[in-house]
Amino acid sequence: NAGVMQNPRHLVRRRGQEARLRCSPMKGHSHVYWYRQLPEEGLKFMVYLQKENIIDESGMPKERFSAEFPKEGPSILRIQQVVRGDSAAYFCASSPGGGTGELFFGEGSRLTVL
Amino acid sequence: AQSVTQLGSHVSVSEGALVLLRCNYSSSVPPYLFWYVQYPNQGLQLLLKYTSAATLVKGINGFEAEFKKSETSFHLTKPSAHMSDAAEYFCAVSPLTGTASKLTFGTGTRLQVTL
Repeated sequence: NAGVMQNPRHLVRRRGQEARLRCSPMKGHSHVYWYRQLPEEGLKFMVYLQKENIIDESGMPKERFSAEFPKEGPSILRIQQVVRGDSAAYFCASSPGGGTGELFFGEGSRLTVL
Repeated sequence: AQSVTQLGSHVSVSEGALVLLRCNYSSSVPPYLFWYVQYPNQGLQLLLKYTSAATLVKGINGFEAEFKKSETSFHLTKPSAHMSDAAEYFCAVSPLTGTASKLTFGTGTRLQVTL
């Protein structure tokens, strides 16, 4: 299956620790998007990356959050010094670009901060 | 700027009844419009999309949606609900420009199907 792969599926962290979420896009896709879903809410855009470039990070919190999509390997969403409010499902999506409009989503990483 | 409004956070229908989930959008440019479905603890799966071709769009699992520019709506329908349709449904909008696929989502509608 060449779908979008996210890991870990579930992650538990204590306040102040770091969380790293990984996303491997579909084969042939060079565009990666990260979304956050808080309980009982829709998905909120966080960041859009292409290989080695951050294209749009307008949805990223100004502090503690960062994202990268290196030339080799998966995209990583990093949350430093986590707080309880960071508890959410984080979804990665990919697209081949070219203006198709469609995103293909992974199954998400569910972060719980104790 | 773009936005999506989904009326009704919860909708309950009987099995076999019509499903109607409402979505209205706001967009300063011609939009792409999407409906996604999310089953518990899973990611989002594309049901259907409108990309400026036919205004009536047919998707998977018997769902369809009609783009009505005059009403800025893209409501999702299915003639006969099935128990397996119980899930959360999200409407989303994307600008019809460039190569990016940045989607703006509505807050979702949880569909319950009863016997």
